[in-house]
Amino acid sequence: DAGVIQSPRHEVTEMGQEVTLRCKPISGHNSLFWYRQTMMRGLELLIYFNNNVPIDDSGMPEDRFSAKMPNASFSTLKIQPSEPRDSAVYFCASSLLGGASGGAGDIQYFGAGTRLSVL
Amino acid sequence: QKEVEQNSGPLSVPEGAIASLNCTYSDRGSQSFFWYRQYSGKSPELIMFIYSNGDKEDGRFTAQLNKASQYVSLLIRDSQPSDSATYLCAVKGLSNAGKSTFGDGTTLTVKP
Repeated sequence: DAGVIQSPRHEVTEMGQEVTLRCKPISGHNSLFWYRQTMMRGLELLIYFNNNVPIDDSGMPEDRFSAKMPNASFSTLKIQPSEPRDSAVYFCASSLLGGASGGAGDIQYFGAGTRLSVL
Repeated sequence: QKEVEQNSGPLSVPEGAIASLNCTYSDRGSQSFFWYRQYSGKSPELIMFIYSNGDKEDGRFTAQLNKASQYVSLLIRDSQPSDSATYLCAVKGLSNAGKSTFGDGTTLTVKP
């Protein structure tokens, strides 16, 4: 299995521009998570989906952020307009919730991340 | 109070020593507990998970869970320089549906 695939790996953009991050979860997984990681705030959950449905978006910082999961194999996280404080590493992770007993189904597999720099 | 707290570190141990990483959590109904390792510039990867009170061993790694004390730890025996990384504790609570809450991580350095 190729694992969770994220693109692009690096994104440099100017303030005010739209940024779209992409994620392909592991085939067969039913849950997908978007995280943001910074030195100051650590790893923050932004939103997660179960069976393509957003379950909890309470971590989305503001209306400039939006996420979609049109099908089981693809998700996007969009920032419009981007600001310098959005600079961070954004991770996507997937899991097979309910697929195994004893907590194994809650194991999250992370993509390599997208390093975003907003100038 | 944070939902998941880890000793802030950084933690430095000599090669061959035992490294002890600690994590406490606030949700008494938490069900599953995970330790992820994150090398600098890389993504987190799972090294252990535990859901029953007691110890779980996997090679040089031992996870210890005490639900009464709301405490989970990770012991790394015979620490190697390649163990130098940030270790993230994650907890899945009863009310959290599918999500886990991560601690801020403890950075471990193993000195040759």
